This record gives sequence, C-alpha cells and structure tokens, in this order.
Amino acid sequence: DPKIIQKPKYLVAVTGSEKILICEQYLGHNAMYWYRQSAKKPLEFMFSYSYQKLMDNQTASSRFQPQSSKKNHLDLQITALKPDDSATYFCASSQVWASAETLYFGSGTRLTVL
Amino acid sequence: GDSVTQMQGQVTLSEDDFLFINCTYSTTWYPTLFWYVQYPGEGPQLLLKVTTANNKGISRGFEATYDKRTTSFHLQKASVQESDSAVYYCVLGAGGRALIFGTGTTVSVSP
Repeated sequence: DPKIIQKPKYLVAVTGSEKILICEQYLGHNAMYWYRQSAKKPLEFMFSYSYQKLMDNQTASSRFQPQSSKKNHLDLQITALKPDDSATYFCASSQVWASAETLYFGSGTRLTVL
Repeated sequence: GDSVTQMQGQVTLSEDDFLFINCTYSTTWYPTLFWYVQYPGEGPQLLLKVTTANNKGISRGFEATYDKRTTSFHLQKASVQESDSAVYYCVLGAGGRALIFGTGTTVSVSP
C-alpha cells in the first residue's frame, strides 16, 4: 500500500481557476514538503513544513498556498491558475525536518492548465 | 549558493555495460549526498545516501563515493540491466535547507 497518497493523480483546469492538491502520509513523519517537476525544469523545491509549521518557502508566487489541517496532511492550494503552472506536483515527507534526512515521495499529481 | 551539477542529460547503454554518471556539487556546509531514482509514473525514491562520516554508499549494485577534494559524487554500476532504465538524480542536502536536486540523467538500457 502506498504510504504517501496524493489525490488526484491527474487534474485538468482552465486558466484562472483554483484547485487543491491533496497529500496524506502514513509514515508517521513530522516533516512534509512540496516539489514541482515540469518538462522544462528539474525537480524544484516549493515548501517545507515541520509539525505543521512552515519552515521554508521557495515559491515566489502567493498563488501557491500550502494548507496543513493535520500533522500528516499537507495540501496545496493554487489560485488563478496559469498554463505555466502545468507540471507534476510531488508531495514528500521525512522523519524530521533536516537536510540530511531521506525524503519519501508520493507518486505525484499531474496538473494541466488549459 | 548551494548547487548540484549533472552534465549528462541522457545515457544510452546495452545490458551488461558499465554505467557512470557524473555529479559535482557546491556548498560551504558539510554535505549529505544522495542519489535518487525515478521510474515512469512514480515519484523519486532513494537509491543511496552518503554523509561525510561514511564517504561511500552501495545499494542494489550501484556505488557512489563522495570526494571532498574534487567535490564529486559520481554514480556507477558495473553491469546494468534493462530494469535500470530510469532517471537518476544527484541530490545535495546541506545547511539545514531542503534537498537540492540535479537536473537528472535519463538512463536507457537496451536488452
């Protein structure tokens, strides 16, 4: 059974709309992350959370807002969608928040913005 | 700032060939270095991890050695199989920040 669940697996949206990407982890980890992978760029770090608190934000746009309702949840809300937002978004987790920690990734949500 | 460089975008091999993927990194901190592998339709997964305390990692026939002098962390495997076809990422962890991924190397192995 997958330990990090991302929903939906595929998502199609129109420009200007808003979507929420869901992530739940069942590894008992205390840190969670969002990464983005697009065709033109390598895997990019977006956000990191530790015990539901934002630790690092490397996303320039405020259109991307992480939401943590529980320790094992970290959803990603994206507003005013643009075609350039088209990418696969990966959620990840680690035991603790630290640069030496191994990240465990979900299988991703592939977002297409028309 | 901290960075990771993978110059090879694509490597094409036949089964039983030797695999070597270059990786160099830059950081002013003590690094933790990883190789992640990503199969189609999946998220990246850890292949091996090396810290400054144990400068060599071995997993599933893959091997990587951390060289502080040349700031390199090359990945190698003596004899690849078709099932090794995937994208390989060199990854740097340093300075209390999130992991930094290289651009990835796509390895294609033909039977």
